[in-house]
Amino acid sequence: QKEVEQDPGPLSVPEGAIVSLNCTYSNSAFQYFMWYRQYSRKGPELLMYTYSSGNKEDGRFTAQVDKSSKYISLFIRDSQPSDSATYLCAMSDQAGTALIFGKGTTLSVSS
Amino acid sequence: EPEVTQTPSHQVTQMGQEVILRCVPISNHLYFYWYRQILGQKVEFLVSFYNNEISEKSEIFDDQFSVERPDGSNFTLKIRSTKLEDSAMYFCASSETDRQGYTFGSGTRLTVV
Repeated sequence: QKEVEQDPGPLSVPEGAIVSLNCTYSNSAFQYFMWYRQYSRKGPELLMYTYSSGNKEDGRFTAQVDKSSKYISLFIRDSQPSDSATYLCAMSDQAGTALIFGKGTTLSVSS
Repeated sequence: EPEVTQTPSHQVTQMGQEVILRCVPISNHLYFYWYRQILGQKVEFLVSFYNNEISEKSEIFDDQFSVERPDGSNFTLKIRSTKLEDSAMYFCASSETDRQGYTFGSGTRLTVV
């Protein structure tokens, strides 16, 4: 069973574009949702952490969770070449338990 | 900014050999995790560790795997008899509480030949 689905891309955008990254999931028990950025040969870097439904904003990043649709999104405004990386969504049903990751979306921002 | 440190960055081992992957979590963190990522595949959970004991483990984490926090600062993952399919990036992660995202290390690339 593929619990977390994420379009692998690649997604190519020009500098300054708004980027939308998405994940869908099947387990309605998921409550904790995270977005990580992973550069090549590096560990995942936490970008956003949200609990339950709603929006959260941090600088150029906005995370949205729609539990009724089992759908989460990450928006990146004013994208920069340094945003070029793989973006991973991850989620869990209880605090501190195993994260289930998506496969990641590869983003390329050209200057 | 505090980091999770993993050593070595790359280890090559022969099939059947034991390996120990080492991690130094962030000093005030209490929750520790190991994940792995086989090339081209998803990041997969192996084990979580809290209060000096395993709190959760996946099906991957069988009797060949063990974890230890030997001295209050290091957190190790041991694979007793490595198999070819153990080749992967192994990531250590830690968090201060159970209600925040985890900080991952840069990983150890394990190659079993």
